[in-house]
Amino acid sequence: DVVMTQSPLSLPVTLGQPASISCRSSHSLVYSDGNTYLNWFQQRPGQSPRRLIYKVSNRDSGVPDRFSGSGSGTDFTLKISRVEAEDVGVYYCMQATRWPLTFGGGTKVEIK
Amino acid sequence: EVQLLESGGGLVRPGGSLRLSCAASGFTFSNSAMNWVRQAPGKGLEWVSAISGSGSGTYYTDSVKGRFTISRDNSRNTLYLQMSSLRVEDTALYYCASNICGSDCYSGFDSWGQGTLVTVSS
Repeated sequence: DVVMTQSPLSLPVTLGQPASISCRSSHSLVYSDGNTYLNWFQQRPGQSPRRLIYKVSNRDSGVPDRFSGSGSGTDFTLKISRVEAEDVGVYYCMQATRWPLTFGGGTKVEIK
Repeated sequence: EVQLLESGGGLVRPGGSLRLSCAASGFTFSNSAMNWVRQAPGKGLEWVSAISGSGSGTYYTDSVKGRFTISRDNSRNTLYLQMSSLRVEDTALYYCASNICGSDCYSGFDSWGQGTLVTVSS
C-alpha cells in the first residue's frame, strides 16, 4: 500500500501568517496516463471533509486563492499564504493513483 | 447543487450486519464512480470502498474484503454499503463521496455527504 506521511501533525499559526503542510508518499504518485492523483482536503471542526486541491495543484471552485498545492513524484505541499480564522481544521492529503486509495494522517491547523 | 445524504447507521452488536445508503442528487449519478470513506471517533479518514458508474467495477480496502459489499441502483440514484460480520473496529462515521470526473474515475472525492454513524458494541 502507498503510505502517505504528513507533517507536521499540528501547526499553530498566527493570523495573517503563512502555513505549509508537507505530504510524502512511499511510492511515486505518477499514474500511467501521466497524471498525478494527489488531492488535499480540509475538515473544519464538526464538518464533513471538503476537497480543496485536486491533481496536485488544481484549486476547486470556491476555494480561496490563498490555498495552493505543489509538488511532484513523492513530495507534495499545501500552502496557505495568509491564514484566516476560518482555516482552522484538519487537512488531509490523499492519493488516488494506486489501489487501495490512502489518506495521510492529517495536520491540525490552529490559531496561536 | 450536488447533494449526498447517507442513512442506515446505528448500533449493532459484533458479528451483526447493517446496510448503509447514500441518496444522490444534483449530478448524473450513473456517470460517476462513488466511494465510501470512514472516520473512527477522533481519528483520520480511511477509504473503504469504491464502485464504478455502471457498478461493474468494485474495490475494497483489505480490512473489509469479504465482509462489506458496495453496490448501487442507478435507477434510484442510490449507493449502498452492505456490512456484515461487523467488528468493534468498524465503529466510525461513514461518508459517501462522489467522483464527478467520470464513470471510471476514482480520484474525485469532489463532494461528500454528512455521514452516518455506525457503532459496533456489545
